[in-house]
Amino acid sequence: SQKIEQNSEALNIQEGKTATLTCNYTNYSPAYLQWYRQDPGRGPVFLLLIRENEKEKRKERLKVTFDTTLKQSLFHITASQPADSATYLCARGATTDSWGKLQFGAGTQVVVTP
Amino acid sequence: KAGVTQTPRYLIKTRGQQVTLSCSPISGHRSVSWYQQTPGQGLQFLFEYFSETQRNKGNFPGRFSGRQFSNSRSEMNVSTLELGDSALYLCASSSEPTNEKLFFGSGTQLSVL
Repeated sequence: SQKIEQNSEALNIQEGKTATLTCNYTNYSPAYLQWYRQDPGRGPVFLLLIRENEKEKRKERLKVTFDTTLKQSLFHITASQPADSATYLCARGATTDSWGKLQFGAGTQVVVTP
Repeated sequence: KAGVTQTPRYLIKTRGQQVTLSCSPISGHRSVSWYQQTPGQGLQFLFEYFSETQRNKGNFPGRFSGRQFSNSRSEMNVSTLELGDSALYLCASSSEPTNEKLFFGSGTQLSVL
């Protein structure tokens, strides 16, 4: 079956350190991958999108990489803060005609301690 | 600009009943998609509408249905509720018929007893 996998274990990290999350996918390579943040009881919030022809994308303290050979995306939070504590979701679409349909990973919970 | 609004926020139903959930997308957004989120299965795609037309449907039984109105507001309906339908139902909108950068509502938490 076609899967998109994230590390299910929570990532506990000290404030100021860099958190690195992994997203692996099987079968087809998507045209792009997206990363969302979800807080308890809330809907996901879009963070970053990286296309297959982009190796790296940055937004403030966030960085995403996309390796189509390894079928993997890495998500980095640099200089992490307690406010970064949340669940981070990786998602892929299929082709351009998949419209609103996204396949999400299970998410990785990040806990940043002071 | 107001975000995606979902009502009601919480809902408790019993098995066999039916339920209707409502979603108002961001003003100007014409694409609305629905997702079910459970602790065991995570986020799973239900269906997606653009300009009142269903463009995609996920792998859910026919008890799950939806529609979109001319003002882009959307509703989803679940008939003959089962215990396993207990979940957070999320609606997302986007300005174009694309799955890039979806804006999600806070969801409707449905509990089936």
